[in-house]
Amino acid sequence: VQLQQWGAGLLKPSETLSLTCAVYGGSFSAYHWTWIRQPPGKGLEWIGEITPSGRTNYNPSLKSRVTISKDTSNNQFSLKLTYVTAADTAVYYCARSVDGFDNWGQGTLVTVSS
Amino acid sequence: QAGLAQPPSVSYALGQTATLTCTGDSNNVGYEGASWLQHHQGHPPKLLWYRSNDRPSGISERFSASRSGSTTSLTITGLQPEDEADYYCSAWDRTISAHVFGGGTKLTVL
Repeated sequence: VQLQQWGAGLLKPSETLSLTCAVYGGSFSAYHWTWIRQPPGKGLEWIGEITPSGRTNYNPSLKSRVTISKDTSNNQFSLKLTYVTAADTAVYYCARSVDGFDNWGQGTLVTVSS
Repeated sequence: QAGLAQPPSVSYALGQTATLTCTGDSNNVGYEGASWLQHHQGHPPKLLWYRSNDRPSGISERFSASRSGSTTSLTITGLQPEDEADYYCSAWDRTISAHVFGGGTKLTVL
């Protein structure tokens, strides 16, 4: 299984962060797909996930700004985070969740700066 | 929401056995256990241990984990220089229906 992610790396405050992760190999439909981030100098933070049924679970601290969706026909899932601020500057990772996060994308540095 | 508690840093000598701890409560670690990740900066994290109490394929047998109540411990035997990294625990918290991470422990191999 390989995960490849992409999206804009530089945003201005109040813009919307948008990232997509493509999954190659394995069964896309059977797993939970997750977004995780790491702000500079800080630890990992779980953003949210989308389940096989399409249900989403989000970090309560980000819930009002986050949307995770998936395109099963193209084996992709996406993250949107609205109204970004400097506090959203981080490396963002997509990952597969199976009793743990066992496959990861390469990471995307997203910087929010005016 | 409250995360899981990990000591910020630990250090052990080359060849020694390291024990890293992660403490939660009955709604997360004590509920379904925790997984462990190794993270070298500049690279994606790597899963070392499943929440279901098993080691992923390809992970060295030097890495193992155990749980007692709401505390999980990662044990690394025969420490190598490449084991120097950040280690994170993660668990599902049923009260908030969300995954939570520990703050991470930086392991230094002396």
